[in-house]
Amino acid sequence: AQSVAQPEDQVNVAEGNPLTVKCTYSVSGNPYLFWYVQYPNRGLQFLLKYITGDNLVKGSYGFEAEFNKSQTSFHLKKPSALVSDSALYFCAVRDSNQGGKLIFGQGTELSVKP
Amino acid sequence: KAGVTQTPRYLIKTRGQQVTLSCSPISGHRSVSWYQQTPGQGLQFLFEYFSETQRNKGNFPGRFSGRQFSNSRSEMNVSTLELGDSALYLCASSASMTSGGTYNEQFFGPGTRLTVL
Repeated sequence: AQSVAQPEDQVNVAEGNPLTVKCTYSVSGNPYLFWYVQYPNRGLQFLLKYITGDNLVKGSYGFEAEFNKSQTSFHLKKPSALVSDSALYFCAVRDSNQGGKLIFGQGTELSVKP
Repeated sequence: KAGVTQTPRYLIKTRGQQVTLSCSPISGHRSVSWYQQTPGQGLQFLFEYFSETQRNKGNFPGRFSGRQFSNSRSEMNVSTLELGDSALYLCASSASMTSGGTYNEQFFGPGTRLTVL
């Protein structure tokens, strides 16, 4: 069965420091991986995706993610965190055999303090 | 382009009632998916529609149903509401799959907050 795990419920970083939000996945076919961010009382905003190609994917707002097939991971990173990055982050996977269905991790609350 | 719109934004219903939620996708997008978000269960896939046909379905009871119209707008219906149906219901649209078989990202609406009393 397909699954996504975000091992940390919360990540705290200081403004200006690098941040990492972790994600591991399990799928039966080719993994299509996504990161989304959710601000309070809002829907999800797309950040970036990995379909194929380079393992380092660059996305919106300075975020990037590194795909590691051997470790089945897709960690979200940013070199320098901003207070405005504080939000709920979701990793999601779409199995190549599952059409449009996205399977989400449980979410990681990112808190960036000044 | 305008984003995904969902109406209404907030709903309060009582147990046993039914409810219909509406979603208008981004212009040109033919795939519409629905998700339920709750604090306990997180984000769970309900169903996906493409060109008026249900293409995928999650593990929800038959009380949850949906449909898609020829203009790609979609509705979902929940009958015989239960307290546990209180949630944020999110709709997402995406462009059709490319000929190369890659998948496009989904764009989400702001959601409909359903409260069942």
